[in-house]
Amino acid sequence: EVQLVESGGGLVQPGGSLRLSCAASGFTFSSYWMSWVRQAPGKGLEWVANIKQDGSEKYYVDSVKGRFTISRDNAKNSLYLQMNSLRAEDTAVYYCARRSRDILTGYLHFDYWGQGTLVTVSS
Amino acid sequence: QPVLTQSSSASASLGSSVKLTCTLSSGHSSYIIAWHQQQPGKAPRYLMKLEGSGSYNKGSGVPDRFSGSSSGADRYLTISNLQSEDEADYYCETWDSNTHVVFGGGTKLTVL
Repeated sequence: EVQLVESGGGLVQPGGSLRLSCAASGFTFSSYWMSWVRQAPGKGLEWVANIKQDGSEKYYVDSVKGRFTISRDNAKNSLYLQMNSLRAEDTAVYYCARRSRDILTGYLHFDYWGQGTLVTVSS
Repeated sequence: QPVLTQSSSASASLGSSVKLTCTLSSGHSSYIIAWHQQQPGKAPRYLMKLEGSGSYNKGSGVPDRFSGSSSGADRYLTISNLQSEDEADYYCETWDSNTHVVFGGGTKLTVL
């Protein structure tokens, strides 16, 4: 059974830092693109970052570029999100999600989600 | 970069059917999308991948009541025999060569 379990959320002051973790199990972690997606209170889903299987490619939404860093440790089956210079607008539930590639078309899409971890940026 | 447009809300009666729409922006009408369901207070759940041809592949454990179809730039999610547990937010998702991922704004489905 595929499981993604996030941790590391909490209350942090504006300008502060936080590191989120996602523990993966039930599949070959090193074979999949992974992502972080967030959801502000009462709002829709917003993609945050992608990372390739070997960590060689990383992509970010413009609003977090230069402040957030996605990384992974395939030996530990873990995904991370280092968040620096946090702002009030970064307040959200952060989800870890697996990206699955369709064999015929090459299309990548989310197929499993974690339960999320809440990050609150406030003084 | 593609843009996905969804109606903000929809409603239908228990036991009836409802068709939700996700519309791709101009120049992106051939794109494949995915549908996700988010029940109140829960994490999203993957429902299906849907191609422009109307061909779709559902995720593990997704009931037969859920189906997909396409017409031009429109991608549809049809839920038949609506149940109370189908009351949820539904999001469509696509990509821009995996450098960026795009979500629609979501449709809040109310089961009457």
